[in-house]
Amino acid sequence: AQRVTQPEKLLSVFKGAPVELKCNYSYSGSPELFWYVQYSRQRLQLLLRHISRESIKGFTADLNKGETSFHLKKPFAQEEDSAMYYCAPNTGTASKLTFGTGTRLQVTL
Amino acid sequence: EAQVTQNPRYLITVTGKKLTVTCSQNMNHEYMSWYRQDPGLGLRQIYYSMNVEVTDKGDVPEGYKVSRKEKRNFPLILESPSPNQTSLYFCASSLDAPSTDTQYFGPGTRLTVL
Repeated sequence: AQRVTQPEKLLSVFKGAPVELKCNYSYSGSPELFWYVQYSRQRLQLLLRHISRESIKGFTADLNKGETSFHLKKPFAQEEDSAMYYCAPNTGTASKLTFGTGTRLQVTL
Repeated sequence: EAQVTQNPRYLITVTGKKLTVTCSQNMNHEYMSWYRQDPGLGLRQIYYSMNVEVTDKGDVPEGYKVSRKEKRNFPLILESPSPNQTSLYFCASSLDAPSTDTQYFGPGTRLTVL
């Protein structure tokens, strides 16, 4: 079965520090990959997707096929980045996205 | 405003008392899904629907039913709720398959089964 691993339940960083939220998946194909975010008291929403190769709110995510990883990065964390982040690779089933267990990012002053 | 709505937002019930959580979207989306969110387990898909009258099981369908009689609505039915169904439930919709398209999520329904 396809697996998605977000090894950190909680990641606490200082404002202005770099952030890397890890995501590893087990799938031998070429997956489409998403990062979804849930800010406090807001709905889960798409942050970015691999295929668009864009930077959203300063975040980027690079697919590393060799390591089967899709880590989310931001060079300088801001307070408003504090949220729950979910990695979600498509692992071969069109109708379903498999979500990781999530990482809570806490940005402190 | 384009959105996904869920009702109720909060529900406390007792074991065995049938309940329905409604989900509606106004974006003319083909795909709709139900997820449950539990601490340490992330989001797990319960059921999904690809179009009217087309539904299928997700990862954790036991104890749940769904129906898709209209494109905009996708209710989640718990015929005989049990305490292990206490969870936070999200409905989501997308124009194309969730594996390739952005999903839009509802605000969530927090269910407690006593």
